[in-house]
Amino acid sequence: GQSLEQPSEVTAVEGAIVQINCTYQTSGFYGLSWYQQHDGGAPTFLSYNGLDGLEETGRFSSFLSRSDSYGYLLLQELQMKDSASYFCAVKRGGFKTIFGAGTRLFVKA
Amino acid sequence: DVKVTQSSRYLVKRTGEKVFLECVQDMDHENMFWYRQDPGLGLRLIYFSYDVKMKEKGDIPEGYSVSREKKERFSLILESASTNQTSMYLCASRYLTGSTDTQYFGPGTRLTVL
Repeated sequence: GQSLEQPSEVTAVEGAIVQINCTYQTSGFYGLSWYQQHDGGAPTFLSYNGLDGLEETGRFSSFLSRSDSYGYLLLQELQMKDSASYFCAVKRGGFKTIFGAGTRLFVKA
Repeated sequence: DVKVTQSSRYLVKRTGEKVFLECVQDMDHENMFWYRQDPGLGLRLIYFSYDVKMKEKGDIPEGYSVSREKKERFSLILESASTNQTSMYLCASRYLTGSTDTQYFGPGTRLTVL
């Protein structure tokens, strides 16, 4: 089967660093994306890893290890506005993308 | 600025009705998608289109059909709505290059079938 596993919830303190992991098992793999979704809002794109290694965009970084079928999203200097759901998504062959169930991040003061 | 719009934010329909959800993008993207989002299940792909008049089934196409007559517009049709189709429906268009795969989502349509 095809699956993406990510924790359902993570809680962290404002100013801290948090890592959200994603492991995948899919037929065909071309890249891993991350999306953020606030309550009542649409998912918005954060990052894409097509190759192994770390991609950095401001306070957010994303990492991919294809050999381990594993990636993570790293959020630094957490802010209250980072409280949201985060989805990993795998680009498969053809045009299809499969999404994980999402990780709900709670940032506490 | 990138823009994906959906015809309705909220919709209430009765069982058996035919329902049309429309999505428009202004980015000239070839790929467009329809997902449904349910708590604990993430986003599940219903159908996608890779060009005008071209479509393929996603992971949960049963009970749905789609239409793409113009590049900017992708419609989702529920032929005979049922209560288990109550959900949030999200449309997306995709920007795909060798170094990125970015989907731009519309605001979503929360559909309730009574």
